[in-house]
Amino acid sequence: SQQGEEDPQALSIQEGENATMNCSYKTSINNLQWYRQNSGRGLVHLILIRSNEREKHSGRLRVTLDTSKKSSSLLITASRAADTASYFCATDSSASKIIFGSGTRLSIRP
Amino acid sequence: IAGITQAPTSQILAAGRRMTLRCTQDMRHNAMYWYRQDLGLGLRLIHYSNTAGTTGKGEVPDGYSVSRANTDDFPLTLASAVPSQTSVYFCASSDETSGGPQTQYFGPGTRLTVL
Repeated sequence: SQQGEEDPQALSIQEGENATMNCSYKTSINNLQWYRQNSGRGLVHLILIRSNEREKHSGRLRVTLDTSKKSSSLLITASRAADTASYFCATDSSASKIIFGSGTRLSIRP
Repeated sequence: IAGITQAPTSQILAAGRRMTLRCTQDMRHNAMYWYRQDLGLGLRLIHYSNTAGTTGKGEVPDGYSVSRANTDDFPLTLASAVPSQTSVYFCASSDETSGGPQTQYFGPGTRLTVL
């Protein structure tokens, strides 16, 4: 069973536009992470937000966390072709190891 | 070696054969993990190890076994492969000694096809 579910499953936008991906989860968490996976590669950690934080920035990435709604969003601003990848949220709770969602496939059109 | 390496990169295997996927890390991380990734299902945890000498079952452990004889190596064995084990397998590691969040570092993956 998946703890985190990303929405949408696939997203295609024009280069330069912003991309927003959402993640919903079911149980209380300690923190939530976002990972990126380029085609044919392993996952790479992007950013971590703790349960007591509401927003976090890293370069062109902005992550928000709403624990009351059990949801998080990842915003990529001014998208580039190199941002084309799959993006996964991963939740960490006291009860289990990290659980990954099924991912959002992001395509950036030139 | 830098980070995590996996071998082989890909493999085609006849059903019923035994196969060991290798994983080695040089970061001295205490925790290691094996995942399988199937289309539409994201990553599912097969087995994990919190420290050398200990292992635990993940979400989908059946048909797989692991060992952790030392810190660096965490091989995954399929005793008798079946077609449903066709997947991409990822090894990962994390430093959990500080008790902090479990940020994981991933290997490049092994693409396994069981015929």
